[in-house]
Amino acid sequence: ETGVTQTPRHLVMGMTNKKSLKCEQHLGHNAMYWYKQSAKKPLELMFVYSLEERVENNSVPSRFSPECPNSSHLFLHLHTLQPEDSALYLCASSQGGRFFDTQYFGPGTRLTVL
Amino acid sequence: AQKVTQAQTEISVVEKEDVTLDCVYETRDTTYYLFWYKQPPSGELVFLIRRNSFDEQNEISGRYSWNFQKSTSSFNFTITASQVVDSAVYFCALSAGVSGNTPLVFGKGTRLSVIA
Repeated sequence: ETGVTQTPRHLVMGMTNKKSLKCEQHLGHNAMYWYKQSAKKPLELMFVYSLEERVENNSVPSRFSPECPNSSHLFLHLHTLQPEDSALYLCASSQGGRFFDTQYFGPGTRLTVL
Repeated sequence: AQKVTQAQTEISVVEKEDVTLDCVYETRDTTYYLFWYKQPPSGELVFLIRRNSFDEQNEISGRYSWNFQKSTSSFNFTITASQVVDSAVYFCALSAGVSGNTPLVFGKGTRLSVIA
């Protein structure tokens, strides 16, 4: 089992759909992260959960809604997205919840919004 | 404010050549951490190295080596005898501050293509 898994790997959705991205870490870590990677832009931090508590919400539109039911699972619920939300969404985890702790990433979900 | 600059957008080399990827960072903090990640076409960011600001020793790991120079605020990455499997986008990142409360700042990445 690889360290951080994400499903689905690819997702195409219309602007009126509701979908969820799932992330699972098998490393025994205490913190999990969502990042957005758009073409020709640096990685953008979206949300951070440490010990299942949200500690960072980086001015993300409310159409993105995270959920962390336990330290191993992280979800990103999507609704009423816009075409500009098309991107690679990466999940990461780290042992501690501090940003200087090494983050380990999953393979990402490639999202296309039509 | 923290900033990471990877001035090389794309590099193309022939297999077995050595290649250096540049990373220049900016921070006012004296305590900070630098990272390199590799992103192959599969999409996953693969952790390569983490270095703190108090450890200026250069590091070598197989064909990979890193040159950390605080005097020039650089943390360059060299691949010796490059291979096709090294083709990927490489990101340099910075976490500044002793508290660890400042999010990672990533550079825009350098796309390396190694041609057989």
